[in-house]
Amino acid sequence: QSVLTQPPSVSGAPGQRVTMSCTGSSSNIGAGYDVHWYQQLPGTAPKLLIHGNNNRPSGVPDRFSGSKSGTSASLAITGLQAEDEADYYCQSYDSSLTAFFGTGTKVSVL
Amino acid sequence: QITLKESGPTLVKPTQTLTLTCTFSGFSLRTSGVGVGWIRQPPGKALEWLGVIYWDDDKRYSPSLKSRLTITKDTSKNQVFLTMTNMDPVDTGTYYCAHDYSNYVMQFDYWGQGTLVTVSS
Repeated sequence: QSVLTQPPSVSGAPGQRVTMSCTGSSSNIGAGYDVHWYQQLPGTAPKLLIHGNNNRPSGVPDRFSGSKSGTSASLAITGLQAEDEADYYCQSYDSSLTAFFGTGTKVSVL
Repeated sequence: QITLKESGPTLVKPTQTLTLTCTFSGFSLRTSGVGVGWIRQPPGKALEWLGVIYWDDDKRYSPSLKSRLTITKDTSKNQVFLTMTNMDPVDTGTYYCAHDYSNYVMQFDYWGQGTLVTVSS
């Protein structure tokens, strides 16, 4: 079982803002280790969406933003679009270079 | 342009050993800090990190699977190998390899397409 907990699902209408949380512990997120976010469209490999807590790789729309506070992190999608319907995973690591993925959140566009 | 591709058997029997190959291009495992990780995903379930090998041959494994996993590399051929012993039906899933940007941040910025492995007698 994952050490990073995410809500199973979030939903919103087109154009709305949705957020999802990623809750870790004092040994990973709370210890200052980076949080990354991945988007997985149906039937495809995950894609890096946010790295280093709040940085977007080239080509990722600025509708996606990340933040981190304490032992948790959050991903926000503003101006939700139908193409954003996907599974989203957070990922962090610890001092022994053990990586962890979150439990995943399914985003539905109503 | 960084690309990775997984290859190996699509069907293995319980108790057998699985060996997967990740063949990559666009980067070198001689570059300081760079690594290749393995991640799997059972059907309909979440991603699970398995392990990573770095440029300096440092290897890290998931604590829950460490006894069954071995990751090696052939730098000259741009290949990384995952070996998992004593396969069980619960190990069925899609196995991905991914480029790890740096051992300081464990950021998987490029992924292979994945290969589906089914464990069944």
